[in-house]
Amino acid sequence: GAGVSQSPSNKVTEKGKDVELRCDPISGHTALYWYRQSLGQGLEFLIYFQGNSAPDKSGLPSDRFSAERTGGSVSTLTIQRTQQEDSAVYLCASSPGRGWETDTQYFGPGTRLTVL
Amino acid sequence: QQQVKQSPQSLIVQKGGISIINCAYENTAFDYFPWYQQFPGKGPALLIAIRPDVSEKKEGRFTISFNKSAKQFSLHIMDSQPGDSATYFCAAAYSGAGSYQLTFGKGTKLSVIP
Repeated sequence: GAGVSQSPSNKVTEKGKDVELRCDPISGHTALYWYRQSLGQGLEFLIYFQGNSAPDKSGLPSDRFSAERTGGSVSTLTIQRTQQEDSAVYLCASSPGRGWETDTQYFGPGTRLTVL
Repeated sequence: QQQVKQSPQSLIVQKGGISIINCAYENTAFDYFPWYQQFPGKGPALLIAIRPDVSEKKEGRFTISFNKSAKQFSLHIMDSQPGDSATYFCAAAYSGAGSYQLTFGKGTKLSVIP
């Protein structure tokens, strides 16, 4: 079956430009997470969506970062006015959202963002 | 403040040997402890997970040992194989906040040599 997909797989942008990263979760999964993986910081939680509830944005590093999830499915992470320190692999994960026993998070392959 | 500390950073093990990776956590509210395996260019994939009401969980060659009083847990890979060469991440989460956002250790790069 289809797993979590992310696009693009690689993105190179210039400092100051805006970027949009897309995540298609596993069909039927109500929970969706964004994480950032960078050499110095490891894997960091960014934002969490559960169904139609307000997202948990507690991990977003600055107000340049935002995310939305349309129709409870596809999610887009937007980074405005990119900085070189934003260079990282951005990972999306989804889970069934039915309690911890079944809430394995399935990760996509990530989008590697390079800010020049 | 690093909430989940993982060691070692890198590990080299002979084929057939035992790989041991350790993690320590600070937040006693954590109630879910998964281990993820990541190959280059891929996203992390869940290997095995444990809750703090058990001290050990085994799945095939992979075992988690959990010490609640010491706030430590470890991954043991028995009969390590070259195909196990990957980066391993421990993580922790607590369900009380309504989400299971994972707090990760910084990872251990395992190399299993023939």
